[in-house]
Amino acid sequence: KQEVTQIPAALSVPEGENLVLNCSFTDSAIYNLQWFRQDPGKGLTSLLLIQSSQREQTSGRLNASLDKSSGRSTLYIAASQPGDSATYLCAVKYSGAGSYQLTFGKGTKLSVIP
Amino acid sequence: DAGVTQSPTHLIKTRGQQVTLRCSPKSGHDTVSWYQQALGQGPQFIFQYYEEEERQRGNFPDRFSGHQFPNYSSELNVNALLLGDSALYLCASSFKNSYEQYFGPGTRLTVT
Repeated sequence: KQEVTQIPAALSVPEGENLVLNCSFTDSAIYNLQWFRQDPGKGLTSLLLIQSSQREQTSGRLNASLDKSSGRSTLYIAASQPGDSATYLCAVKYSGAGSYQLTFGKGTKLSVIP
Repeated sequence: DAGVTQSPTHLIKTRGQQVTLRCSPKSGHDTVSWYQQALGQGPQFIFQYYEEEERQRGNFPDRFSGHQFPNYSSELNVNALLLGDSALYLCASSFKNSYEQYFGPGTRLTVT
C-alpha cells in the first residue's frame, strides 16, 4: 500500500524562525510531489510542485526538495510569519498505468507565534 | 479567470438521505477529481472523471457515484448517507493528466 507520512503532526515556532516540514513516501516510483497549504475549513492552495526528475523548487520564502531514492521531501520556510500559520499537506502522484490520484499525508499544523 | 468552484458551501443532511455536490473546473481544464477529507485527516481520493467517464476510483462504496457533463463540470452523488460521510468534499481539476491539480474551496457536509 502506498503511504505518505508527515512529521511532525504539529509545530509551534516564534515569528522569524526558519523551519522545515518533512514528508516521506513508501514507493519511490513517483510522477510528482506537491505541497499544499490549507487554512481551517478551507480548500487547498498549491504551494510548490516537484517533478520526479527535479531535486527542488523555490517560490519566495518557500523551498521544497525531493529525494526519490530515500522517499523523502522537505518544505523549508524562511523567516516565518504569523500569516504562515496553517496546515501543510504533502501529496504524491505515483507513476504507472492508471494512476491518476494524489495520495496525501495527514498534514503538519503550523502555528507561528508573534 | 475563475478557479475551481464548488456548490453548495455547506450542507446538512439526515442519515439515509441522498446528496448531490457540484463542481466547475478551472477554465481550460477537462479532468475532475473528487476527494473526501475527514476532520484531522488528509484528503482521500474518491474518483476521477475524464471525457465524461470514470477513469479511476478509490476505495469508496458504490453509494458514491459521479457524473461529468460535456462542459467538464461534475457532480458527486452520495446515497443512503451515514454519519461517517460527514466531511469536507474537495473537487480538483487539471488538464488531462498533467502536472498540477487545482482545488476548489470544498463543500462541508454534515450528516445528523
